[in-house]
Amino acid sequence: NAGVTQTPKFQVLKTGQSMTLQCAQDMNHNSMYWYRQDPGMGLRLIYYSASEGTTDKGEVPNGYNVSRLNKREFSLRLESAAPSQTSVYFCASTRTATYGYTFGSGTRLTVV
Amino acid sequence: GENVEQHPSTLSVQEGDSAVIKCTYSDSASNYFPWYKQELGKRPQLIIDIRSNVGEKKDQRIAVTLNKTAKHFSLHITETQPEDSAVYFCAARENEKLTFGTGTRLTIIP
Repeated sequence: NAGVTQTPKFQVLKTGQSMTLQCAQDMNHNSMYWYRQDPGMGLRLIYYSASEGTTDKGEVPNGYNVSRLNKREFSLRLESAAPSQTSVYFCASTRTATYGYTFGSGTRLTVV
Repeated sequence: GENVEQHPSTLSVQEGDSAVIKCTYSDSASNYFPWYKQELGKRPQLIIDIRSNVGEKKDQRIAVTLNKTAKHFSLHITETQPEDSAVYFCAARENEKLTFGTGTRLTIIP
């Protein structure tokens, strides 16, 4: 049972390049989330999908897009990377609103 | 939206002593309050949670208390050990999503 799987684990991009971060869960969870973690700022929500077929903006959505491909997979796309998007990105999932998240292992992204 | 404040940002305690981390939240509709532990370079891991219909919950050396009237909740770690050194995050749930505090770096001094 893998839980939440994120790929890639590390990535270096040049300013203006695009990329997609992949996330998949095998726990039959309904809700999935993308957070970014920056020093001293905790975890900030980028986008979330409360159920298959729906997506909503979080606290810091600018510069990102998401796709809930099916119940298992939720991807995050950077169309034109900027240095301000250098961060650690975590995907998470949960069964319902009153349960905690299970996090993936994270993607460390550097934009130069 | 929800706003969660967490204090202190850093905390050092002697091994064997107790540690307390405090959080406040803004949205009275929030009804679920988890705590996560994150070791260096690792993912956050859920260590304990509390729902709004409960005032206190314990799990071995850790406990969480919730005061809904004052909109604050706290994490208590007793008999601290070196492996308790990590960053701890509180969170509050409003609707389908969690809002996190900014974290507390806990260092246990041997």
